[in-house]
Amino acid sequence: DAKTTQPNSMESNEEEPVHLPCNHSTISGTDYIHWYRQLPSQGPEYVIHGLTSNVNNRMASLAIAEDRKSSTLILHRATLRDAAVYYCILRDDSPNAGGTSYGKLTFGQGTILTVHP
Amino acid sequence: DGGITQSPKYLFRKEGQNVTLSCEQNLNHDAMYWYRQDPGQGLRLIYYSQIVNDFQKGDIAEGYSVSREKKESFPLTVTSAQKNPTAFYLCASRRTGGRGYTFGSGTRLTVV
Repeated sequence: DAKTTQPNSMESNEEEPVHLPCNHSTISGTDYIHWYRQLPSQGPEYVIHGLTSNVNNRMASLAIAEDRKSSTLILHRATLRDAAVYYCILRDDSPNAGGTSYGKLTFGQGTILTVHP
Repeated sequence: DGGITQSPKYLFRKEGQNVTLSCEQNLNHDAMYWYRQDPGQGLRLIYYSQIVNDFQKGDIAEGYSVSREKKESFPLTVTSAQKNPTAFYLCASRRTGGRGYTFGSGTRLTVV
């Protein structure tokens, strides 16, 4: 799986938008961009994923650069419950991924998001 | 509600003992995974299974063993051969062809 680069930590105020960046300059054409978050002492939670187009769901939005070498997870209104470690992960989800299609997620260090009341 | 149940939440083991961590899912997912997380680190893959009676080594399988006799269950045994077993262990599952993974709440293993 291709590597991603994220800032070690970010801070936000409650009810303000948060933009979490991720660089993935070596992304391949079949790599999907996945975001997970992990609260303290819990398992990671799926947030969102995308390939080329921007994606929205009830939790967040994912903005993908036109060249796909970077992406941004957007939390529209941060709450205290959004404080977590956010992981940006690339995974080849294509049907022809062959031996890599078993579903491995390669986690980096992630970004620690602190939300201030 | 469907989900993944890991038990126990906390586990203490004496050096030289084997210990088995439980992972059960009622999501009807085909694929299941075991990850290990050390403090301040990301997750590392130990073992995975795509179907019943089949499993494959991940990146750090040494000192661990698994079985997949039922679709719902994927227990992990930490053997005495694992030199540094103290860690947070996470089980996950995924529907074949699905994008998102569901994780359990983890088991924190401490060797005393």
